[in-house]
Amino acid sequence: QKEVEQDPGPLSVPEGAIVSLNCTYSNSAFQYFMWYRQYSRKGPELLMYTYSSGNKEDGRFTAQVDKSSKYISLFIRDSQPSDSATYLCAMSPTSGGSYIPTFGRGTSLIVHP
Amino acid sequence: DAGITQSPRHKVTETGTPVTLRCHQTENHRYMYWYRQDPGHGLRLIHYSYGVKDTDKGEVSDGYSVSRSKTEDFLLTLESATSSQTSVYFCAISPRQDSTDTQYFGPGTRLTVL
Repeated sequence: QKEVEQDPGPLSVPEGAIVSLNCTYSNSAFQYFMWYRQYSRKGPELLMYTYSSGNKEDGRFTAQVDKSSKYISLFIRDSQPSDSATYLCAMSPTSGGSYIPTFGRGTSLIVHP
Repeated sequence: DAGITQSPRHKVTETGTPVTLRCHQTENHRYMYWYRQDPGHGLRLIHYSYGVKDTDKGEVSDGYSVSRSKTEDFLLTLESATSSQTSVYFCAISPRQDSTDTQYFGPGTRLTVL
């Protein structure tokens, strides 16, 4: 079992829908949780970043962490065709020497007009 | 792409040929990383560097070597390319490796080994 599991999709939704993207993980040492967005044939770019449990909101995007369930989510409100991309979750610990993040496989999102 | 360039952007080569990919940054960040991205596997770390001449192996380092003689350049070498090394290669940089290990990625190099 991989440390970070993410459904690759594709997830296809109509414009304006609320999108929920999720990752589960097995390493309880993970404390920092990141979401990257990757457009086709481009490098990933950091979208949001949260520490430990709780929610963080940035415009139409909300990141949620539930450490008790080892489950993180990214919600996109009022989704737009420009949100069509692959979304990768990533996470890292705060101790143990290595803070290099572990990435999920990415979920492909398609928002159609 | 946060002052990161990769060269070449596309390369087609033959099995057994040596290949070198270059990552160049203008951010003066200390940490540099090489990843490969394949369908079904996501991003996997090949090697990383924590300073000039300081490198370490990642999850999938077999068949790859790296060198960093200057802060701004991180080279990835495939000594004898194999078809299993056909992939998209991303370089990433970060200013520090601590609990806020935010990485900035380059545009990628698409490598095909025939």
